[in-house]
Amino acid sequence: AQSVTQPDIHITVSEGASLELRCNYSYGATPYLFWYVQSPGQGLQLLLKYFSGDTLVQGIKGFEAEFKRSQSSFNLRKPSVHWSDAAEYFCAVNEAAGNKLTFGGGTRVLVKP
Amino acid sequence: NAGVTQTPKFRVLKTGQSMTLLCAQDMNHEYMYWYRQDPGMGLRLIHYSVGEGTTAKGEVPDGYNVSRLKKQNFLLGLESAAPSQTSVYFCASKRGSPTGELFFGEGSRLTVL
Repeated sequence: AQSVTQPDIHITVSEGASLELRCNYSYGATPYLFWYVQSPGQGLQLLLKYFSGDTLVQGIKGFEAEFKRSQSSFNLRKPSVHWSDAAEYFCAVNEAAGNKLTFGGGTRVLVKP
Repeated sequence: NAGVTQTPKFRVLKTGQSMTLLCAQDMNHEYMYWYRQDPGMGLRLIHYSVGEGTTAKGEVPDGYNVSRLKKQNFLLGLESAAPSQTSVYFCASKRGSPTGELFFGEGSRLTVL
């Protein structure tokens, strides 16, 4: 069965600093990978997704993620964090031919002024 | 431009009471999902549907029932609520493709006393 691990429960970063959120997945074949963001009291919004091709994918709000098959990872990055990036971030995986998205436990990001 | 709408947004129940959460989407999506969100556990899939008249179990289906009588609606029922079902519930929908983006409602916070 597919699974997703986000090792960091909380991350605190200063505004303007870089951010990297880790995601590791467990799945036999090439997975479809997603990052979602949840602002307080809101539903989830898609940041970016990877299916195939270039392993570095660009998303909205200046985020990017890199797929590394050898490490079973799909880490999310942003070069310079803004206060509005304070939120909870979820990595998710979908089987290539499946209908179900499996989410990681989430990483809550706090941004210091 | 409603997207995915959940009702009610807040509800308090006593143990043993029943209730139904309604999810409505206006994007003509084939697939619909119910997730529950608990601190540190990410989103866990309760039930899902790949089309009108179909439903399937997810990761944590016990204590819940669902129905998809109309394509645009997906109902989640609790027949006899338990305190362990205190959670935030999210409905989501997407096109019928593994690569499709999930669109989420804003959530329904349920407390069972």
